[in-house]
Amino acid sequence: KAGVTQTPRYLIKTRGQQVTLSCSPISGHRSVSWYQQTPGQGLQFLFEYFSETQRNKGNFPGRFSGRQFSNSRSEMNVSTLELGDSALYLCASSLALAAADTQYFGPGTRLTVL
Amino acid sequence: AQSVTQPDIHITVSEGASLELRCNYSYGATPYLFWYVQSPGQGLQLLLKYFSGDTLVQGIKGFEAEFKRSQSSFNLRKPSVHWSDAAEYFCAVGADTDKLIFGTGTRLQVFP
Repeated sequence: KAGVTQTPRYLIKTRGQQVTLSCSPISGHRSVSWYQQTPGQGLQFLFEYFSETQRNKGNFPGRFSGRQFSNSRSEMNVSTLELGDSALYLCASSLALAAADTQYFGPGTRLTVL
Repeated sequence: AQSVTQPDIHITVSEGASLELRCNYSYGATPYLFWYVQSPGQGLQLLLKYFSGDTLVQGIKGFEAEFKRSQSSFNLRKPSVHWSDAAEYFCAVGADTDKLIFGTGTRLQVFP
Protein backbone atom coordinates (compact mmCIF):
# COMPACT_ATOMS: atom_id res chain seq x y z
CA LYS A 1 0.00 0.00 0.00
CA ALA A 2 1.46 3.36 -0.98
CA GLY A 3 2.30 5.78 1.80
CA VAL A 4 1.39 9.41 2.20
CA THR A 5 2.74 11.51 -0.62
CA GLN A 6 3.33 15.23 -0.58
CA THR A 7 4.05 17.49 -3.50
CA PRO A 8 6.14 19.38 -4.12
CA ARG A 9 8.98 18.28 -1.86
CA TYR A 10 10.78 21.60 -2.04
CA LEU A 11 9.51 25.07 -2.78
CA ILE A 12 11.09 28.51 -2.85
CA LYS A 13 8.85 31.55 -2.82
CA THR A 14 9.24 35.25 -2.14
CA ARG A 15 7.41 37.34 0.41
CA GLY A 16 3.89 38.27 -0.61
CA GLN A 17 3.39 35.30 -2.89
CA GLN A 18 0.99 32.49 -2.22
CA VAL A 19 1.61 28.75 -2.25
CA THR A 20 -0.43 25.57 -2.47
CA LEU A 21 0.79 22.28 -1.05
CA SER A 22 -0.75 18.94 -1.86
CA CYS A 23 -1.14 15.76 0.16
CA SER A 24 -2.38 12.36 -0.98
CA PRO A 25 -3.29 10.13 1.97
CA ILE A 26 -3.04 6.39 2.22
CA SER A 27 -5.87 4.74 0.34
CA GLY A 28 -8.92 4.39 2.57
CA HIS A 29 -7.81 7.00 5.08
CA ARG A 30 -10.38 9.71 5.64
CA SER A 31 -8.50 12.01 8.00
CA VAL A 32 -5.75 14.34 6.85
CA SER A 33 -3.87 16.60 9.24
CA TRP A 34 -1.34 19.31 8.49
CA TYR A 35 1.55 20.42 10.69
CA GLN A 36 4.17 23.11 10.48
CA GLN A 37 7.60 22.11 11.78
CA THR A 38 10.28 24.65 12.58
CA PRO A 39 13.43 24.36 14.70
CA GLY A 40 12.20 26.88 17.22
CA GLN A 41 8.53 25.91 17.54
CA GLY A 42 8.58 22.18 16.92
CA LEU A 43 5.45 20.61 15.45
CA GLN A 44 2.55 22.99 15.32
CA PHE A 45 -0.89 21.70 14.36
CA LEU A 46 -2.50 23.58 11.47
CA PHE A 47 -5.76 21.79 10.78
CA GLU A 48 -7.42 18.43 10.35
CA TYR A 49 -9.94 17.37 7.73
CA PHE A 50 -12.17 14.36 7.93
CA SER A 51 -14.53 13.44 5.10
CA GLU A 52 -14.11 16.89 3.51
CA THR A 53 -14.97 18.74 6.74
CA GLN A 54 -12.51 20.69 8.84
CA ARG A 55 -12.69 19.08 12.26
CA ASN A 56 -9.96 20.94 14.13
CA LYS A 57 -7.94 24.06 13.59
CA GLY A 58 -4.73 25.28 15.17
CA ASN A 59 -3.75 28.79 16.15
CA PHE A 60 -2.62 30.10 12.81
CA PRO A 61 -3.72 33.26 11.00
CA GLY A 62 -6.34 33.17 8.28
CA ARG A 63 -3.61 33.24 5.64
CA PHE A 64 -3.38 29.52 6.22
CA SER A 65 -6.26 27.58 4.75
CA GLY A 66 -6.97 24.09 3.55
CA ARG A 67 -9.48 21.83 2.01
CA GLN A 68 -10.12 18.16 1.41
CA PHE A 69 -11.58 16.62 -1.69
CA SER A 70 -13.99 13.72 -2.02
CA ASN A 71 -11.09 11.33 -2.68
CA SER A 72 -9.54 12.46 0.64
CA ARG A 73 -6.67 14.28 -1.04
CA SER A 74 -5.97 17.55 0.69
CA GLU A 75 -4.41 20.86 -0.14
CA MET A 76 -3.24 23.67 2.06
CA ASN A 77 -2.77 27.21 0.92
CA VAL A 78 -0.73 30.00 2.40
CA SER A 79 -1.38 33.47 1.07
CA THR A 80 0.75 36.59 1.42
CA LEU A 81 3.82 34.63 2.45
CA GLU A 82 6.03 35.93 5.23
CA LEU A 83 9.63 35.05 6.03
CA GLY A 84 8.42 33.26 9.16
CA ASP A 85 6.40 30.83 7.06
CA SER A 86 9.63 29.07 6.06
CA ALA A 87 9.23 25.60 7.49
CA LEU A 88 8.73 21.92 6.82
CA TYR A 89 5.03 21.27 6.26
CA LEU A 90 4.00 17.76 7.16
CA CYS A 91 0.84 16.00 6.20
CA ALA A 92 -0.46 12.91 7.99
CA SER A 93 -3.36 10.61 7.32
CA SER A 94 -5.32 8.19 9.47
CA LEU A 95 -8.40 6.04 9.25
CA ALA A 96 -10.13 7.79 12.15
CA LEU A 97 -9.61 11.20 13.69
CA ALA A 98 -5.95 11.88 14.37
CA ALA A 99 -6.11 12.11 18.16
CA ALA A 100 -7.61 8.64 18.41
CA ASP A 101 -5.69 6.78 15.76
CA THR A 102 -2.26 6.11 14.30
CA GLN A 103 -1.15 8.80 11.93
CA TYR A 104 1.03 8.07 8.93
CA PHE A 105 3.21 10.97 7.93
CA GLY A 106 4.45 12.03 4.55
CA PRO A 107 8.03 13.20 4.01
CA GLY A 108 6.99 16.85 4.06
CA THR A 109 7.27 19.89 1.83
CA ARG A 110 10.18 22.18 2.61
CA LEU A 111 9.05 25.76 2.01
CA THR A 112 11.60 28.55 1.89
CA VAL A 113 10.38 32.13 1.76
CA LEU A 114 12.91 34.71 0.61
CA ALA B 1 -4.65 24.38 29.00
CA GLN B 2 -3.69 21.15 27.30
CA SER B 3 0.03 20.76 26.85
CA VAL B 4 2.87 18.31 26.44
CA THR B 5 6.32 18.81 27.92
CA GLN B 6 9.46 17.03 26.90
CA PRO B 7 12.00 18.42 29.35
CA ASP B 8 15.08 17.11 27.57
CA ILE B 9 15.88 18.89 24.33
CA HIS B 10 18.97 16.82 23.60
CA ILE B 11 20.18 13.51 25.05
CA THR B 12 23.43 11.71 24.31
CA VAL B 13 23.97 8.05 25.16
CA SER B 14 26.51 5.39 24.30
CA GLU B 15 25.51 2.51 22.11
CA GLY B 16 24.28 -0.35 24.28
CA ALA B 17 23.27 1.91 27.15
CA SER B 18 19.71 2.17 28.39
CA LEU B 19 17.51 5.09 27.45
CA GLU B 20 14.61 6.95 29.01
CA LEU B 21 12.95 9.92 27.35
CA ARG B 22 10.59 11.92 29.48
CA CYS B 23 7.13 13.15 28.60
CA ASN B 24 4.70 14.98 30.89
CA TYR B 25 1.28 16.19 29.90
CA SER B 26 -1.51 18.39 31.13
CA TYR B 27 -4.95 17.32 30.00
CA GLY B 28 -8.50 17.50 31.29
CA ALA B 29 -9.09 13.75 31.15
CA THR B 30 -7.00 10.69 30.52
CA PRO B 31 -5.80 11.25 26.98
CA TYR B 32 -4.55 8.97 24.30
CA LEU B 33 -0.76 9.02 24.32
CA PHE B 34 1.67 8.53 21.50
CA TRP B 35 5.39 8.42 20.82
CA TYR B 36 6.61 9.20 17.31
CA VAL B 37 10.15 9.14 15.91
CA GLN B 38 11.57 11.28 13.13
CA SER B 39 14.80 10.35 11.39
CA PRO B 40 16.69 13.08 9.52
CA GLY B 41 14.89 14.11 6.35
CA GLN B 42 11.95 11.85 7.08
CA GLY B 43 8.38 12.19 8.25
CA LEU B 44 7.30 10.88 11.63
CA GLN B 45 6.70 7.21 12.41
CA LEU B 46 4.61 5.85 15.26
CA LEU B 47 6.60 3.93 17.88
CA LEU B 48 3.76 3.09 20.24
CA LYS B 49 0.49 4.36 21.64
CA TYR B 50 -1.61 4.06 24.78
CA PHE B 51 -5.37 4.21 24.73
CA SER B 52 -6.40 2.19 27.79
CA GLY B 53 -5.65 -1.01 29.66
CA ASP B 54 -2.16 -2.16 30.56
CA THR B 55 -0.09 0.88 31.45
CA LEU B 56 3.11 -0.64 30.05
CA VAL B 57 2.98 -0.46 26.27
CA GLN B 58 5.29 -2.25 23.88
CA GLY B 59 6.19 -0.69 20.59
CA ILE B 60 8.34 -1.24 17.55
CA LYS B 61 12.15 -1.33 17.49
CA GLY B 62 12.30 -2.58 21.10
CA PHE B 63 10.79 0.53 22.67
CA GLU B 64 8.32 0.57 25.52
CA ALA B 65 6.53 3.28 27.46
CA GLU B 66 4.76 3.40 30.79
CA PHE B 67 1.70 5.50 31.51
CA LYS B 68 1.69 6.86 35.05
CA ARG B 69 -1.58 8.64 35.74
CA SER B 70 -0.48 10.00 39.13
CA GLN B 71 2.54 11.68 37.55
CA SER B 72 0.87 12.63 34.25
CA SER B 73 3.80 11.02 32.51
CA PHE B 74 4.38 8.71 29.58
CA ASN B 75 8.11 8.05 29.47
CA LEU B 76 9.73 6.14 26.64
CA ARG B 77 12.36 3.52 27.41
CA LYS B 78 14.71 1.17 25.64
CA PRO B 79 17.05 -1.22 27.48
CA SER B 80 19.87 -1.10 24.92
CA VAL B 81 20.25 1.67 22.37
CA HIS B 82 21.51 1.05 18.85
CA TRP B 83 23.27 3.61 16.68
CA SER B 84 20.28 3.55 14.33
CA ASP B 85 18.08 4.93 17.12
CA ALA B 86 19.63 8.36 16.69
CA ALA B 87 16.68 10.55 15.74
CA GLU B 88 14.21 13.02 17.17
CA TYR B 89 11.45 11.68 19.38
CA PHE B 90 8.08 13.31 19.89
CA CYS B 91 5.49 12.65 22.53
CA ALA B 92 1.89 13.52 21.64
CA VAL B 93 -1.46 13.58 23.44
CA GLY B 94 -5.01 13.77 22.23
CA ALA B 95 -8.51 12.50 22.79
CA ASP B 96 -11.38 11.58 20.49
CA THR B 97 -12.30 14.69 18.53
CA ASP B 98 -9.60 16.94 19.96
CA LYS B 99 -6.55 17.92 18.01
CA LEU B 100 -3.34 16.05 18.60
CA ILE B 101 -0.78 18.03 20.58
CA PHE B 102 2.92 17.33 20.13
CA GLY B 103 5.78 18.04 22.47
CA THR B 104 8.79 19.98 21.25
CA GLY B 105 10.82 16.83 20.77
CA THR B 106 13.98 15.26 22.18
CA ARG B 107 16.95 14.79 19.92
CA LEU B 108 18.82 11.58 20.66
CA GLN B 109 22.48 11.23 19.77
CA VAL B 110 24.17 7.83 20.05
CA PHE B 111 27.92 7.46 20.42
CA PRO B 112 29.67 4.21 19.41
